[in-house]
Amino acid sequence: GEDVEQSLFLSVREGDSSVINCTYTDSSSTYLYWYKQEPGAGLQLLTYIFSNMDMKQDQRLTVLLNKKDKHLSLRIADTQTGDSAIYFCAERDNFNKFYFGSGTKLNVKP
Amino acid sequence: GAVVSQHPSWVICKSGTSVKIECRSLDFQATTMFWYRQFPKQSLMLMATSNEGSKATYEQGVEKDKFLINHASLTLSTLTVTSAHPEDSSFYICSALGLASYNEQFFGPGTRLTVL
Repeated sequence: GEDVEQSLFLSVREGDSSVINCTYTDSSSTYLYWYKQEPGAGLQLLTYIFSNMDMKQDQRLTVLLNKKDKHLSLRIADTQTGDSAIYFCAERDNFNKFYFGSGTKLNVKP
Repeated sequence: GAVVSQHPSWVICKSGTSVKIECRSLDFQATTMFWYRQFPKQSLMLMATSNEGSKATYEQGVEKDKFLINHASLTLSTLTVTSAHPEDSSFYICSALGLASYNEQFFGPGTRLTVL
């Protein structure tokens, strides 16, 4: 499969912004996704971006895509304790297969 | 929103037995379903892609005779772990691509398999 990489941990204080970064290798990616996983649960789709866009905003979430550098980021504004979870980025290739990063564990301190 | 269910949510079995996991799209038709495996504190590993009415496509390194996948209808795919061993213990997650919401992949809640 394709390589998708993320940093493993991020710790922020409640109310601050969180930025989770992701890099990928497949230049033919069609869509890129961010998912949230809480302990013992499945994955929840947060947002996705088409590969010809460079930014998408959805309430507290902002996705930035630098296609040239194959870099994707997720910014969470006004981070809350309920945002503590593991965040996965994923890319979708031309065959509709999804490849996931290793996940970034976000810890929000009160 | 689109809902994908999995059954059972957890199962404990003896080594050597077979376990079937069901994945259902409850309120939409899914042309394609995916099966993933997740080890503790690790990412999801794609095992296979399942298209309704055709044979599943397995990822490299995944034994098709051990992990039998059937996608008999647009709302149901099953994964059977045959002759399970302790190393098969894992969290198995399915997902579905809908006919209408083709950009989104909807995930089931996962099935925790423990093989004794």
